[in-house]
Amino acid sequence: GQNIDQPTEMTATEGAIVQINCTYQTSGFNGLFWYQQHAGEAPTFLSYNVLDGLEEKGRFSSFLSRSKGYSYLLLKELQMKDSASYLCAVRGSTLGRLYFGRGTQLTVWP
Amino acid sequence: KAGVTQTPRYLIKTRGQQVTLSCSPISGHRSVSWYQQTPGQGLQFLFEYFSETQRNKGNFPGRFSGRQFSNSRSEMNVSTLELGDSALYLCASSLSSEDGGIAFFGQGTRLTVV
Repeated sequence: GQNIDQPTEMTATEGAIVQINCTYQTSGFNGLFWYQQHAGEAPTFLSYNVLDGLEEKGRFSSFLSRSKGYSYLLLKELQMKDSASYLCAVRGSTLGRLYFGRGTQLTVWP
Repeated sequence: KAGVTQTPRYLIKTRGQQVTLSCSPISGHRSVSWYQQTPGQGLQFLFEYFSETQRNKGNFPGRFSGRQFSNSRSEMNVSTLELGDSALYLCASSLSSEDGGIAFFGQGTRLTVV
């Protein structure tokens, strides 16, 4: 079966750095996605990793290790608006389908 | 470039009715996937269409169906609505099905069944 695990909740303070981990077990692998979802809104795309290593995009970075079935999303210089749910999703051998974790609810305190 | 557009945004239906939701993908995107999101289950895959063909299907009952038109727009239909069908229904479009591509989500349709 497919299994995507990520922590349920995390808290941090403004200006800090937070790392959200995701481990996965899927049949095949064709990419890992991170999405941000504010309450009542749709998920918005943050990052995409298909090869091992770090992808950096502004304050957000995402890392992938395919051999370990592991990824993390790193958020730097946290802002209040970063309070949201962060979803880890994996595309397995079925290209048109993403398997989602339950999401990590991040709360940023002033 | 317009994003993924879903209509309607909100819908209230009574048990036993049926509903049709619409999704217009990003221009040039040929793959459209549908997901159901509930607080208890998270994001669950319904089905995926590519070039008017259903390529993948999740574990939902036959009351959930969909289709895709030649312009890549997609609709999903839920018949004989149940209270448990209350959810946020999201569609995602991506450029192709060969390498998957990045999936972008629409704003969703919030369905409430009373």
